[in-house]
Amino acid sequence: DAKTTQPNSMESNEEEPVHLPCNHSTISGTDYIHWYRQLPSQGPEYVIHGLTSNVNNRMASLAIAEDRKSSTLILHRATLRDAAVYYCILRDVVDAGGTSYGKLTFGQGTILTVHP
Amino acid sequence: DGGITQSPKYLFRKEGQNVTLSCEQNLNHDAMYWYRQDPGQGLRLIYYSQIVNDFQKGDIAEGYSVSREKKESFPLTVTSAQKNPTAFYLCASSPQGLSGRWYEQYFGPGTRLTVT
Repeated sequence: DAKTTQPNSMESNEEEPVHLPCNHSTISGTDYIHWYRQLPSQGPEYVIHGLTSNVNNRMASLAIAEDRKSSTLILHRATLRDAAVYYCILRDVVDAGGTSYGKLTFGQGTILTVHP
Repeated sequence: DGGITQSPKYLFRKEGQNVTLSCEQNLNHDAMYWYRQDPGQGLRLIYYSQIVNDFQKGDIAEGYSVSREKKESFPLTVTSAQKNPTAFYLCASSPQGLSGRWYEQYFGPGTRLTVT
């Protein structure tokens, strides 16, 4: 499985942008880059995903390097509710009879602390 | 409200007892998953099911068993054979798709199991 490397922790101030980096130097051509986040004592929630191009949604932006060996999750204006563990995950697709399931391999993620 | 429910939120058992964790979804998703999370760690896949009456072992299936008799339900039994059962257990579901398609996973709120 292709692995990802993220900093253990990052800090930000409220209302400021946050750039969460992720390295994935062994990414394959068909791996999607996913980001999930997990608030304390809750299940993870999907944030964003991408393959090659930069992506934007209501929660965040995903900037993918041209060689795809790294990516950055961008929270444009951090709020206290964004304090969570952020996981960068490469989707491992397993084929079984023509269908696929999205196995997600979670690392330790980045603990984001947001200061008021 | 569509979503995934897990019950109970907290569960306490004595060593040597089997215990079953509930997971129900009303999202009409075909695929369901069980993950385990230990303190400060990422999630690890225990079992997954792509369709009713079918399930596959994940990365850490030893000491666990599952069933998938209904589309909505995917209960996990932690048996006495599981050496270190105390953990946070998370259930997830996703639509099933054709090979290469991607779908996000939706997670339940989790069950925290303590075995003493």
